[in-house]
Amino acid sequence: DAKTTQPTSMDCAEGRAANLPCNHSTISGNEYVYWYRQIHSQGPQYIIHGLKNNETNEMASLIITEDRKSSTLILPHATLRDTAVYYCIVRTANTGNQFYFGTGTSLTVIP
Amino acid sequence: DAGVTQSPTHLIKTRGQHVTLRCSPISGHKSVSWYQQVLGQGPQFIFQYYEKEERGRGNFPDRFSARQFPNYSSELNVNALLLGDSALYLCASSLEDRGTGATNEKLFFGSGTQLSVL
Repeated sequence: DAKTTQPTSMDCAEGRAANLPCNHSTISGNEYVYWYRQIHSQGPQYIIHGLKNNETNEMASLIITEDRKSSTLILPHATLRDTAVYYCIVRTANTGNQFYFGTGTSLTVIP
Repeated sequence: DAGVTQSPTHLIKTRGQHVTLRCSPISGHKSVSWYQQVLGQGPQFIFQYYEKEERGRGNFPDRFSARQFPNYSSELNVNALLLGDSALYLCASSLEDRGTGATNEKLFFGSGTQLSVL
């Protein structure tokens, strides 16, 4: 079962930063946090993942709190194409590729 | 480079029928996973295969089965279809399976097969 809690929906103005929160209070020390997004009727797309340290790539930044019980995905300059459902996933150790998706956050970027 | 490819893209079946869905992983990827996504929900894990062996199974009935071939492609089979099996079926591949310890493999998903059961 999913071990994360995310808001159901969020809005963001185009060009502004989108900050998507995720709570994972029961995360274990060796479990990674992954973020994927899914645009309507397409397969989920990998965004970023991390263990303890903050991570940044060409798509987004991932900020993980020191106690690792929550994280925030940051899209620095949201565009209309960033409108999607964003999933925060804790990668459970010893379960291979069994990613447990919740219901995610539906992000709407407003012109 | 080709991503994960799935066929067919859309499929309509009637209750009680059987369906086979196909998936070709990214070249070099040896692990394939299957997910079911019902409208309005996140994807739910069905199976994982690595090197032709089943590595994991989600909470699905025995009507669901899968296999992986020597070229690492995979099939998902569903027997005795029910209306509730209507969903988007997603296939994902990854480079290798590290089933123990802290893992940080990325899953790459295909666009899915939309199955409608009437």
